[in-house]
Amino acid sequence: GAVVSQHPSWVICKSGTSVKIECRSLDFQATTMFWYRQFPKQSLMLMATSNEGSKATYEQGVEKDKFLINHASLTLSTLTVTSAHPEDSSFYICSARGSAVQNSPLHFGNGTRLTVT
Amino acid sequence: AQRVTQPEKLLSVFKGAPVELKCNYSYSGSPELFWYVQYSRQRLQLLLRHISRESIKGFTADLNKGETSFHLKKPFAQEEDSAMYYCALVSSETGANNLFFGTGTRLTVIP
Repeated sequence: GAVVSQHPSWVICKSGTSVKIECRSLDFQATTMFWYRQFPKQSLMLMATSNEGSKATYEQGVEKDKFLINHASLTLSTLTVTSAHPEDSSFYICSARGSAVQNSPLHFGNGTRLTVT
Repeated sequence: AQRVTQPEKLLSVFKGAPVELKCNYSYSGSPELFWYVQYSRQRLQLLLRHISRESIKGFTADLNKGETSFHLKKPFAQEEDSAMYYCALVSSETGANNLFFGTGTRLTVIP
């Protein structure tokens, strides 16, 4: 079945540094990738939708300059948390859709636990 | 705006007992609803979708537009059903078919 690999699984960084999270579709081409974050005891919240070769679409309230998303190929999307601060500590998870067909299944990565000290 | 509510954060049932995980939604359009499951140390995966009207691993979910609910049910819980369950809704308002999740319910099936 379709597999999405997300790396790293966890990362600890110092405040002010940048962190890059990768999301790869291993055996299919992902036309669309989604990035979510989840605070403790809260729902998975969509941050942005990433389409290959075009700019990501960010949800309201998500800072574009803070969370840089690059979808350079059909198998790779990256999320870079720039100038990270402790409040950015969260669980980030990506998902990918292999088809442009409406409501085709999403495949999820295992997530990345980011801790900013 | 769309919203998905799962009122129970934790749910424990005995093996063999019926289980119902509640999900209510608010959405102005015609909803597309899903249940996702995350077993321990595994990734989130699709369990079922309402348009398929299917039964997966003994689970079913019926969309009740009058009550705006999409509760997940299984007549006889098994230990391997212990997992985190998320109800989700697809919003097509922006044309991007984004998926919005509830806060999840952790189901524990007691042997």
